[in-house]
Amino acid sequence: DAGVIQSPRHEVTEMGQEVTLRCKPISGHDYLFWYRQTMMRGLELLIYFNNNVPIDDSGMPEDRFSAKMPNASFSTLKIQPSEPRDSAVYFCASSSEGAYEQYFGPGTRLTVT
Amino acid sequence: GESVGLHLPTLSVQEGDNSIINCAYSNSASDYFIWYKQESGKGPQFIIDIRSNMDKRQGQRVTVLLNKTVKHLSLQIAATQPGDSAVYFCAENPGTYKYIFGTGTRLKVLA
Repeated sequence: DAGVIQSPRHEVTEMGQEVTLRCKPISGHDYLFWYRQTMMRGLELLIYFNNNVPIDDSGMPEDRFSAKMPNASFSTLKIQPSEPRDSAVYFCASSSEGAYEQYFGPGTRLTVT
Repeated sequence: GESVGLHLPTLSVQEGDNSIINCAYSNSASDYFIWYKQESGKGPQFIIDIRSNMDKRQGQRVTVLLNKTVKHLSLQIAATQPGDSAVYFCAENPGTYKYIFGTGTRLKVLA
């Protein structure tokens, strides 16, 4: 299995631009999680899905952030418009029903200038 | 790695020695705990887990201890190797899929 796949691995964009991060979970996993990691706040859960349905988005910072999961093998995290304070590493993780262990992707390093 | 932070507590150990990394968790209702390892430029990787009905669990070269009285976890790595150099996180689960992650400890293995 290829594990959780994220793209792009690095993204540099200017303030005000739209950014879309992509994730492919491990095949057969029912849960998908989006995290953000920064120096100041560590690893924070933004949102998670179960069977493609958003379950808890209380960690999404504000309306500029949105996430979708149109099918079991694909999810996106969009930031529009982006701001310099959004600069961070964004991780996607997945897990199977009944299993608490989450498998993380390699992350997307986002830099907003 | 560079994504985690420049001001993490750091533990430096000599190659071959044992390492002990500590973590205080926050929620007394948490019933499941994981230790993750994060190498530079990579995502967190599962090392070992423990449920709240246990106080010790052993894996290959790693042992996790749980003290629920003081809400404390520790990760012990035996015969530390250069490949163990990374940032280590504890994560607690208070009964949902929403984990609470610790801030992490950077382990440096000295040759």
